[in-house]
This record gives sequence, C-alpha cells and structure tokens, in this order.
Amino acid sequence: QKEVEQDPGPLSVPEGAIVSLNCTYSNSAFQYFMWYRQYSRKGPELLMYTYSSGNKEDGRFTAQVDKSSKYISLFIRDSQPSDSATYLCAMSGGRDDKIIFGKGTRLHILP
Amino acid sequence: DSGVTQTPKHLITATGQRVTLRCSPRSGDLSVYWYQQSLDQGLQFLIQYYNGEERAKGNILERFSAQQFPDLHSELNLSSLELGDSALYFCASSTRRTGRDGYTFGSGTRLTVV
Repeated sequence: QKEVEQDPGPLSVPEGAIVSLNCTYSNSAFQYFMWYRQYSRKGPELLMYTYSSGNKEDGRFTAQVDKSSKYISLFIRDSQPSDSATYLCAMSGGRDDKIIFGKGTRLHILP
Repeated sequence: DSGVTQTPKHLITATGQRVTLRCSPRSGDLSVYWYQQSLDQGLQFLIQYYNGEERAKGNILERFSAQQFPDLHSELNLSSLELGDSALYFCASSTRRTGRDGYTFGSGTRLTVV
C-alpha cells in the first residue's frame, strides 16, 4: 500500500460548483497536512496547511483532516476557471519528517 | 515569482551525458530539497540539504549527486543519463531543518534525454 493515495482524475466540474478533492494515507505518524496547487509548467505552490485533525478555512478553500480515518479533503467553493490546475496533497511527521506527496488530481473548471 | 530560482529551465541532452541543475533558495531559507516529477511517479523526494550538510536522502540514484554551497545555493548533478531520467526536476526551500511548514518550490528544470 502506498503511503499516500490520491485519485489522479481528471475531474471536470462546471464553474460555480463545489469541488471536493481527497487523499488517504497509511502512516499514522503524519501530523502535518498540506495542499499544493500546481499550474501547468509551474512549480507546486502551498495552498493550505493544517496541523493534526480538524478544519481550516481560507477564502473559498477549506481543508479537512480526519486522522481517525486517515483521510484528508480540500473543498473549493464557487469554483472558477482559474482554479483549473493539479492539486497535490502532502503530509509529513513520519520518521524522517520529509514531506510525502500524493500524485495529484487534475481539476478542470468548465466556464 | 516564488523566490526560489532554478536554472536552466529546459535542458535537452543525449544518453550517457552529464548535466548540472542549479538552485538558489529563497532569501533566508537554509534547507534545500530536490524532487523529481514524472507523470507515472509523481513528486519523488531525492535529497535534502540543511545549511550545507546533507540531512535526508530519498530515492536518489547513485548516478545522481548533489551539494549545497556556503552561499546556500545547491546543485544537482545527473550523470550517465538514461532515457528514463527525463522528467521535471524541482528544487524547494524552507527556513527549517524539517519540512513541517511546507516548502516553497521553484519553477523547475525540464530535462529531456534523447
């Protein structure tokens, strides 16, 4: 079983819809959870950062962590065409503290 | 502009050759990380340096090596290149020894081995 699993998509939704992106993980030592956004031909940029379980909101973005289920989510409200990108979940806190990334979900917001 | 500078942006080279990728971290960041990104493997951690010292090693091949210089810039050397080494190579930096607060990534170097 891979440490971090993420559906590669692509996921296509109409503009204005709520988007839900998810990851599961196997390492119970992970405590720091992140979401990165990567536009084509660019480096990943940190979007959301959460420590341990709970929710965190930043504008149209909400990150949720459920450590009991080893499941994290990113919700995007009122999605815009500019949100079209690849979204990578990431986590750390394991034995050597390095960040482990999911493979990313490609998201297309249709105008 | 993220503040992390990677050069060159694109590189095309032949099998068996050697190349050097360069990274300048964001001002004030002491840690530099190298990642390889391919379509099938996603972002794979290669190696981390903190303030000039190697701190963590990931799935880095023996043909690959890296170092961090006193001015904190880092270089990733790839030798005896194979077709399968074609990928995006990202450098990232952070202020801490660990990546707990997340990294800042550069725009990457796209390496094509022909």
